Amino acid sequence: EDKVVQSPLSLVVHEGDTVTLNCSYEVTNFRSLLWYKQEKKAPTFLFMLTSSGIEKKSGRLSSILDKKELSSILNITATQTGDSAIYLCAVVEGNEKLTFGTGTRLTIIP
Amino acid sequence: NAGVTQTPKFQVLKTGQSMTLQCAQDMNHEYMSWYRQDPGMGLRLIHYSVGAGITDQGEVPNGYNVSRSTTEDFPLRLLSAAPSQTSVYFCASSYVGQVGNSPLHFGNGTRLTVT
Repeated sequence: EDKVVQSPLSLVVHEGDTVTLNCSYEVTNFRSLLWYKQEKKAPTFLFMLTSSGIEKKSGRLSSILDKKELSSILNITATQTGDSAIYLCAVVEGNEKLTFGTGTRLTIIP
Repeated sequence: NAGVTQTPKFQVLKTGQSMTLQCAQDMNHEYMSWYRQDPGMGLRLIHYSVGAGITDQGEVPNGYNVSRSTTEDFPLRLLSAAPSQTSVYFCASSYVGQVGNSPLHFGNGTRLTVT
């Protein structure tokens, strides 16, 4: 059975800290991995990763894929209260099936 | 520019009742999918479709039916609601072949409570 697992499930840090969120996967025919941020409503897209070892960056957020280890990390530096959210990773397979992970709930304390 | 439209936004059902959650998109997306999200959890795939007349099961299909008679619409049916189906339901769409290459377009969700 295909699996996407994120860790930790929950994380509480102080404003200004750096956090690393993990996503590991076991799928049959990997095509890409996506990261999303979810606040009140629907998830919003952050990154798409298809190639191993290439870092994607957007401001204080960055992400990298390791196809050998079947995993990805999402880093957030100099965290702000607006970073408080659920962070979701999702894996896309060749048959277009997109499976989300369990999510990491990140809380930033001012 | 409607995007993905889900109706209703909120619904309360009694155990055993049936209902259909509606999802429509106006972007000519072949790929459409339904997810449920329980409190504090990630999204779990219920059913998905890569085009009209084609549907497939996700991780948690039991208790739900879908059909895809048009490109625009992908309704989700609960035949006999159970309290375990209390959740927030999201519909999402994309172009086939683009599901992994571009972000999914999400609806705003339907909050369903089964008592």
